[in-house]
Amino acid sequence: DAGVIQSPRHEVTEMGQEVTLRCKPISGHNSLFWYRQTMMRGLELLIYFNNNVPIDDSGMPEDRFSAKMPNASFSTLKIQPSEPRDSAVYFCASRAGRNTGELFFGEGSRLTVL
Amino acid sequence: AQSVTQLDSQVPVFEEAPVELRCNYSSSVSVYLFWYVQYPNQGLQLLLKYLSGSTLVKGINGFEAEFNKSQTSFHLRKPSVHISDTAEYFCAVSTQGGSEKLVFGKGTKLTVNP
Repeated sequence: DAGVIQSPRHEVTEMGQEVTLRCKPISGHNSLFWYRQTMMRGLELLIYFNNNVPIDDSGMPEDRFSAKMPNASFSTLKIQPSEPRDSAVYFCASRAGRNTGELFFGEGSRLTVL
Repeated sequence: AQSVTQLDSQVPVFEEAPVELRCNYSSSVSVYLFWYVQYPNQGLQLLLKYLSGSTLVKGINGFEAEFNKSQTSFHLRKPSVHISDTAEYFCAVSTQGGSEKLVFGKGTKLTVNP
């Protein structure tokens, strides 16, 4: 299996621009998670989906952030408009089954907002 | 809500020395506990997990962890480290029967020196 695939791996953009991060989970996994990693705050859970349905989005910083999962094999995290404080590494992870199972992480999307 | 505290942000050790990375958690209900490792510019990988049963859990690469319910701890140990163990280590917790989200600590950077 190819693992969790994220794109782009690196993105540099200017403040105010729209950013879209993409994730393809492992086939057959029914849960998908978006995390943000920064030096100051560590790994923060932004949102997670079960069977394509958003379950908990309490970690989404504000209305500028939105996430969708239109089908079992694709999810997006969008930031509009982007701000310098959004600079971070964004990870997507997927899991089969319930919370006893292992999360499989993608390699991350490093976002820099100038 | 559950939370995780990793007491040391950085741990430097010499090659072949033993190491212990500390993790304490807080939760009002029973928990599942995990240790993940992150190598530079990569996503996280599962080292080991505690779900139930024996409180001593063995994982990959010679690591082990012990669940201590009375002290709400789940410390990670390795009797003899290698240069290749240099990485960041994350403790994580999820609750039994509750939310399926996985909450991570802020990580401990282990540096193994020759």
